[in-house]
Amino acid sequence: IAGITQAPTSQILAAGRRMTLRCTQDMRHNAMYWYRQDLGLGLRLIHYSNTAGTTGKGEVPDGYSVSRANTDDFPLTLASAVPSQTSVYFCASSRSSGEPLGQFFGPGTRLTVL
Amino acid sequence: QKEVEQDPGPLSVPEGAIVSLNCTYSNSAFQYFMWYRQYSRKGPELLMYTYSSGNKEDGRFTAQVDKSSKYISLFIRDSQPSDSATYLCAMIPTSGTYKYIFGTGTRLKVLA
Repeated sequence: IAGITQAPTSQILAAGRRMTLRCTQDMRHNAMYWYRQDLGLGLRLIHYSNTAGTTGKGEVPDGYSVSRANTDDFPLTLASAVPSQTSVYFCASSRSSGEPLGQFFGPGTRLTVL
Repeated sequence: QKEVEQDPGPLSVPEGAIVSLNCTYSNSAFQYFMWYRQYSRKGPELLMYTYSSGNKEDGRFTAQVDKSSKYISLFIRDSQPSDSATYLCAMIPTSGTYKYIFGTGTRLKVLA
């Protein structure tokens, strides 16, 4: 089934631990994005990638890093998790950067940092 | 001031009602407009997209853009309990930019 998969579905993490959220798409989309969604704040862009091999910072990049080694995968890493990173994380993709037809979202990863 | 404003709701309507969901925005450069539906504990899914001003219809859904007023709307006719979800608007100034601007979402409840 075409789409975006994310793993894990949910995770409870101790503060200070390193964590990688995985994202894979099979639509051959060039652009991929990571958002966090918090109540009252909506979706905020963490990092994005216009194409394989390139990445950029979004609105709230501090404490997060990404890589884009190939078209399909776009992992998000929290080097040393803090409680303020408790959130729901969504990976998204689009045919191209700023595709007017919109983005496709994954099911999300619910992360709790204690 | 946020670039995009959206009433958080919740908006409760009886089954069969016509629903109007709205967003206002401040940046006159926005050209492309999207509506997403997000069910509880799920990712947003794209419902409709429009370019510039005018109306676009898809089944029970109609998206309307009024660029002169910087106002976009999503109308749902014959609303169903299955329409109960959070609806997010999104917009970008032009193609080729990575920065989609999202509203915070309006929570809709359709009562059977």
